[in-house]
Amino acid sequence: DQQVKQNSPSLSVQEGRISILNCDYTNSMFDYFLWYKKYPAEGPTFLISISSIKDKNEDGRFTVFLNKSAKHLSLHIVPSQPGDSAVYFCAAIGNSGGSNYKLTFGKGTLLTVNP
Amino acid sequence: GAVVSQHPSWVICKSGTSVKIECRSLDFQATTMFWYRQFPKQSLMLMATSNEGSKATYEQGVEKDKFLINHASLTLSTLTVTSAHPEDSSFYICSARRGASYEQYFGPGTRLTVT
Repeated sequence: DQQVKQNSPSLSVQEGRISILNCDYTNSMFDYFLWYKKYPAEGPTFLISISSIKDKNEDGRFTVFLNKSAKHLSLHIVPSQPGDSAVYFCAAIGNSGGSNYKLTFGKGTLLTVNP
Repeated sequence: GAVVSQHPSWVICKSGTSVKIECRSLDFQATTMFWYRQFPKQSLMLMATSNEGSKATYEQGVEKDKFLINHASLTLSTLTVTSAHPEDSSFYICSARRGASYEQYFGPGTRLTVT
């Protein structure tokens, strides 16, 4: 059963515009969420995270929004750049780090930013 | 900061032989290290979690006798694929958690091909 879902396998955006990547989760015990960016044949790179006690976290061009009641989070990238083209993974941790802080990943969304 | 390295980056071995992959946290002490496997066009699959000085915790369906994990220090974990077979060919990625943080920092991955 997929506890973290990224329902859009791909997203194409024009350079300079906003990219919005979405993620839904089913496990109400998740209380920390992370976004990773991954290029082919490389390990994921940590981008930004958010605790369940917040509804927004911002770092430069990246903003993550969390809607706990809807069990939904999104990553906004503004402005999008061609170098942002990669697979983006949403991940979650439950029980305040219980179970050794295991990450549960979504299947990823391939973002393509067109020049 | 938070750099994780893996060695080797790629390896080709013959069926029946064993292969060791190293994961090092270069600029921090890793309280916990994780080993993942990624199949083509799929998400990361957690194989096991290891804490320094203790036995690794394996995920359901992962053979502990086949995938030996040693976490000898706070900066080094190793994964040994024993008696490798072609179906073990995959992209293996490690990650490390720094201190009390939730974030995991990933290595660049190791491409294993078993012929």
